[in-house]
Amino acid sequence: KAGVTQTPRYLIKTRGQQVTLSCSPISGHRSVSWYQQTPGQGLQFLFEYFSETQRNKGNFPGRFSGRQFSNSRSEMNVSTLELGDSALYLCASSFGQGAGKLFFGSGTQLSVL
Amino acid sequence: QQQVKQSPQSLIVQKGGISIINCAYENTAFDYFPWYQQFPGKGPALLIAIRPDVSEKKEGRFTISFNKSAKQFSLHIMDSQPGDSATYFCAANFLTGTASKLTFGTGTRLQVTL
Repeated sequence: KAGVTQTPRYLIKTRGQQVTLSCSPISGHRSVSWYQQTPGQGLQFLFEYFSETQRNKGNFPGRFSGRQFSNSRSEMNVSTLELGDSALYLCASSFGQGAGKLFFGSGTQLSVL
Repeated sequence: QQQVKQSPQSLIVQKGGISIINCAYENTAFDYFPWYQQFPGKGPALLIAIRPDVSEKKEGRFTISFNKSAKQFSLHIMDSQPGDSATYFCAANFLTGTASKLTFGTGTRLQVTL
């Protein structure tokens, strides 16, 4: 079974731009969560989607948004990029409830210049 | 505040030794405590997990010890190997209605030397 696939792997943007990251979960998994990983803040929860509905949201500004499609694939969007948005963005999928049993992708490394 | 505090920040252990990483949590509503292992350039991978009604869980060389009254849990890696060199994160699950999310510790960078 294929794992969680995130694209692109690396991304370089400039301040003020917007970016869209993509995540394909493991086949059959209906829950997709997004996390931001930085050296200073560690792993921070962004949001979780289940059956196209956002179930939970972390403490991030409204510039961070996401959505999930009927095939469970998910996208995350960051508008008006700031230097501090530079991070590894990780997508994780799970079959249903039980966020502990998450399967992570390798992430998208976003650099904002 | 739903925090998970993890220590030490970094750890150097000789091959064959025991690696011990500790975590403490505050919210007694947490009901699932996984450990994740992350290698450079990869996402975290679930290593082992425990529920609060169990005091210990062992899988191969990896053991979680859980102290519910102290709100602490720890990961023990027996016979540590160079291939275990990675960053380890403890985490806790917090259920809010039908949603759930992980709260992670700050991570421990483990280096196993020859």
